Amino acid sequence: DVKVTQSSRYLVKRTGEKVFLECVQDMDHENMFWYRQDPGLGLRLIYFSYDVKMKEKGDIPEGYSVSREKKERFSLILESASTNQTSMYLCASRGVGAGPPNSPLHFGNGTRLTVT
Amino acid sequence: DQQVKQNSPSLSVQEGRISILNCDYTNSMFDYFLWYKKYPAEGPTFLISISSIKDKNEDGRFTVFLNKSAKHLSLHIVPSQPGDSAVYFCAASPSNDYKLSFGAGTTVTVRA
Repeated sequence: DVKVTQSSRYLVKRTGEKVFLECVQDMDHENMFWYRQDPGLGLRLIYFSYDVKMKEKGDIPEGYSVSREKKERFSLILESASTNQTSMYLCASRGVGAGPPNSPLHFGNGTRLTVT
Repeated sequence: DQQVKQNSPSLSVQEGRISILNCDYTNSMFDYFLWYKKYPAEGPTFLISISSIKDKNEDGRFTVFLNKSAKHLSLHIVPSQPGDSAVYFCAASPSNDYKLSFGAGTTVTVRA
């Protein structure tokens, strides 16, 4: 069974801090994604990576960057945390196989980030 | 602007009855649709999908219906069980695109 692990369940950071959110998957998946979930807005794509060292902006990339140095790990970086980045952050992965590009994603359990 | 809309934030249903969740989309390029289920403190898990070449897909108690002309899909859960209490997200994309657009979610509560 696919396991996507996010390193922290809860984080509290101060405005202006640099924040790293880590995600590891154990199924050798090529594609990895970072979403944020906010009430009334659903899940919005921040960044995705279709392979190692490859990345592409999602719908709301402002204030974020990502790093994918190894296939199993995808990091989300908040360069200078702000209060409007308080949210639930969800990492997901997907293998590139016989299915369509949008075959189901496997999600981690999320990191609840609070910026004060 | 959200391209996938779930206009009902919540739904309460008696155990054993049918739950009907609705989803509307605006992008005519969308041709692949998925439903995800999310429990508190867990990530979303895939539930069921449908491509635009079909108008219905069934998996056990879960059936998804697609009306392309109305840009509308619905998820039916029959019969509803207490374990179905969760947030349900509708998602859509063009079939050749990595990116999924999600709705805001509908919270389903199944009453015993």
